[in-house]
Amino acid sequence: GESVGLHLPTLSVQEGDNSIINCAYSNSASDYFIWYKQESGKGPQFIIDIRSNMDKRQGQRVTVLLNKTVKHLSLQIAATQPGDSAVYFCAERANTGFQKLVFGTGTRLLVSP
Amino acid sequence: DAGVTQSPTHLIKTRGQQVTLRCSPISGHKSVSWYQQVLGQGPQFIFQYYEKEERGRGNFPDRFSARQFPNYSSELNVNALLLGDSALYLCASIYSSNTGELFFGEGSRLTVL
Repeated sequence: GESVGLHLPTLSVQEGDNSIINCAYSNSASDYFIWYKQESGKGPQFIIDIRSNMDKRQGQRVTVLLNKTVKHLSLQIAATQPGDSAVYFCAERANTGFQKLVFGTGTRLLVSP
Repeated sequence: DAGVTQSPTHLIKTRGQQVTLRCSPISGHKSVSWYQQVLGQGPQFIFQYYEKEERGRGNFPDRFSARQFPNYSSELNVNALLLGDSALYLCASIYSSNTGELFFGEGSRLTVL
């Protein structure tokens, strides 16, 4: 069945460090992957996405890497700031013809000043 | 432009009762999806609607139903509430039915006693 999981439930870093959050997915038919940030009491906020025909995409301070060979997705955050503290979810979309995202359980990122 | 708006933000019900949650998508977005997020887990897909028609349904019992109105707003109904229905219910909108990023609202926090 479909599943999206994360290797590390909690990641603690110092302000200014680079953070890497990893995610494994199981559905090789997934064509679209997204990273969301969720702060306490709020809905998920879109960070960056990548399509299955790409292996890297960069945004502002964030980079997503996709390795389809091992079904692995990662989110890199450069110069991590206290405001980056949140739970991060990866999600995949299977090519089902409708917009169904399968989310992992999340990784909590804690950034210390 | 306003983002995705949901109401109510918090509500408490007792077992066996019924609840209706409401969502207004971003202006111009024609598709709405509903997700359930149990505490400590990632969101799980419940429904997607596009142009008032159901486009996809997740693995939820028939107690869960939804509809979309001509103005693209949507309601999620849950009948015969169980304790396990306690969760954050998230609404997300996208411009088209199967492309583009999902924009989430802040959610409706349902507590079933």
